[in-house]
Amino acid sequence: QQQVKQSPQSLIVQKGGISIINCAYENTAFDYFPWYQQFPGKGPALLIAIRPDVSEKKEGRFTISFNKSAKQFSLHIMDSQPGDSATYFCAASTNDYKLSFGAGTTVTVRA
Amino acid sequence: NAGVTQTPKFRVLKTGQSMTLLCAQDMNHEYMYWYRQDPGMGLRLIHYSVGEGTTAKGEVPDGYNVSRLKKQNFLLGLESAAPSQTSVYFCASKKGGGSYEQYFGPGTRLTVT
Repeated sequence: QQQVKQSPQSLIVQKGGISIINCAYENTAFDYFPWYQQFPGKGPALLIAIRPDVSEKKEGRFTISFNKSAKQFSLHIMDSQPGDSATYFCAASTNDYKLSFGAGTTVTVRA
Repeated sequence: NAGVTQTPKFRVLKTGQSMTLLCAQDMNHEYMYWYRQDPGMGLRLIHYSVGEGTTAKGEVPDGYNVSRLKKQNFLLGLESAAPSQTSVYFCASKKGGGSYEQYFGPGTRLTVT
């Protein structure tokens, strides 16, 4: 049983559009919420991460929104580009440094 | 600085055969992890190590063994491969202390027939 539930499984967006991926969790002991980006044939790489004491974190075109009371967090990709086409994984961790991953979302950006 | 490397990149096994996957990191990281990635299931933790000479079970440890004899290496063994172990295997590492970021290798695609 996955501890982090991720949706949608896949999405298609036009170049310049906004991609939104959502994740939900139950374990209130989670204190670190990263997003990993994975290109075909490669290993995942950290994209952006947030701690539960902030509600939003922005790095360039990527923003994490975090709702502690709802136990949900989301990734927004603004001005989506074809180079953003990849699989995105949300994850969560407690202070034991083990990551629990969501199932992944395949994002396709059409030019 | 190669980061995290994995050997081999691809392997095909017959049911019942054994093999060892090697993970090496040159970042002097304390923690190392083995994950498997299956469609629709994300990455699931098999085993991990918090330091040289230590190992611990993750979420899906059955059918796998690991060893961390040297700090830079983390080996994943399959003693008797089964078709259910067909997957892509990723190794990751992270430094000690309060850092959470894990660095992943390029993966090993294993097919068990």
